[in-house]
Amino acid sequence: SQTIHQWPATLVQPVGSPLSLECTVEGTSNPNLYWYRQAAGRGLQLLFYSVGIGQISSEVPQNLSASRPQDRQFILSSKKLLLSDSGFYLCAWSVKGGLGYTFGSGTRLTVV
Amino acid sequence: GIQVEQSPPDLILQEGANSTLRCNFSDSVNNLQWFHQNPWGQLINLFYIPSGTKQNGRLSATTVATERYSLLYISSSQTTDSGVYFCAVEVAGNKLTFGGGTRVLVKP
Repeated sequence: SQTIHQWPATLVQPVGSPLSLECTVEGTSNPNLYWYRQAAGRGLQLLFYSVGIGQISSEVPQNLSASRPQDRQFILSSKKLLLSDSGFYLCAWSVKGGLGYTFGSGTRLTVV
Repeated sequence: GIQVEQSPPDLILQEGANSTLRCNFSDSVNNLQWFHQNPWGQLINLFYIPSGTKQNGRLSATTVATERYSLLYISSSQTTDSGVYFCAVEVAGNKLTFGGGTRVLVKP
């Protein structure tokens, strides 16, 4: 069966520090991968999505970037964190052609 | 882009009560899902329901695609049903757009 792993679960980082959040999927090949952010307990916003290795689409301009170095690995990064980057980050995957999305357990990021 | 509106924004229920959550969307969709976000933040997939009716235990959902709405029914609510319920839709392009959610609190 397919599983999605996301880590770390919680992260506290100072302003100006770098960020790397990792997401991996098991049990499927060539999935679509997504990074979402939830800023205030509701209202998930799509940040990035990827349909294949090295293919990244950005939905909103921001201080973050994403990379997909391997088929089932999706990384969210920042060179210098801002206070406004705080939030709950969720990774998700879907199979091309439908049947829905599955989300990871999320990373709660607090920038101090 | 597509607009997704959920109502009501907040709902307080007494344990054992029934309720209906609504999701309206502004355009034709390829996919519609209902999620439950538990107090720890995890999004649990409840239904994949671009059209028709499905049931899973005390929960059921109906999507009327031609009229651009979906309903989630919770029957005999329990305290573990508390959390935020999200409707999310996908149009062409493999991107899921979320509604604002309905925050449900079930009191014992």
